[in-house]
Amino acid sequence: ETGVTQSPTHLIKTRGQQVTLRCSSQSGHNTVSWYQQALGQGPQFIFQYYREEENGRGNFPPRFSGLQFPNYSSELNVNALELDDSALYLCASSLGLAGGYNEQFFGPGTRLTVL
Amino acid sequence: DAKTTQPNSMESNEEEPVHLPCNHSTISGTDYIHWYRQLPSQGPEYVIHGLTSNVNNRMASLAIAEDRKSSTLILHRATLRDAAVYYCILRVFTDTGGFKTIFGAGTRLFVKA
Repeated sequence: ETGVTQSPTHLIKTRGQQVTLRCSSQSGHNTVSWYQQALGQGPQFIFQYYREEENGRGNFPPRFSGLQFPNYSSELNVNALELDDSALYLCASSLGLAGGYNEQFFGPGTRLTVL
Repeated sequence: DAKTTQPNSMESNEEEPVHLPCNHSTISGTDYIHWYRQLPSQGPEYVIHGLTSNVNNRMASLAIAEDRKSSTLILHRATLRDAAVYYCILRVFTDTGGFKTIFGAGTRLFVKA
């Protein structure tokens, strides 16, 4: 158990819909990152938030957006869902400055299926 | 773009050491090397990280080449519980002052009793 929780566990949507995934960071952690993991592949970095500001982004289109709240919980929003968005979405929290050396604590993920 | 390259799979006998290689020839001077592992139906779990020097912790050792273009994760005595997918990761600083995380495809480690 890492103390990072995600909701919902599973979700089924249809193409074109919008979805919001939620992440609760480990207590005291001020940085959260989101990843997309397709079946059989490694996680792909979507973006990171540090103290409510986005400070890093991977190669994902703008329809992937996020928020980090004052309590450091976070949301990932995906608009205009496509079939290829079907994946496990992971969030990870860490403490301190958004540096490259911080250990990240991952949640169990949300499995999104787009039909 | 930075990337890491790992073998798809490796096999080890229980109680023997395991050396998991990773190539990251495009690494920059400020990029950190991290290793995580992932068990089925779980999120990745931190194993170890380093910048330039070799590192040891209770789980493993990390050997970093002098030119930093490759690294090796060393599990000193593999157990059945070490069977997992091991990811070599770069934490890359960007031009905008933030950073991004680059995962490799991972090495699936099989441990035989």
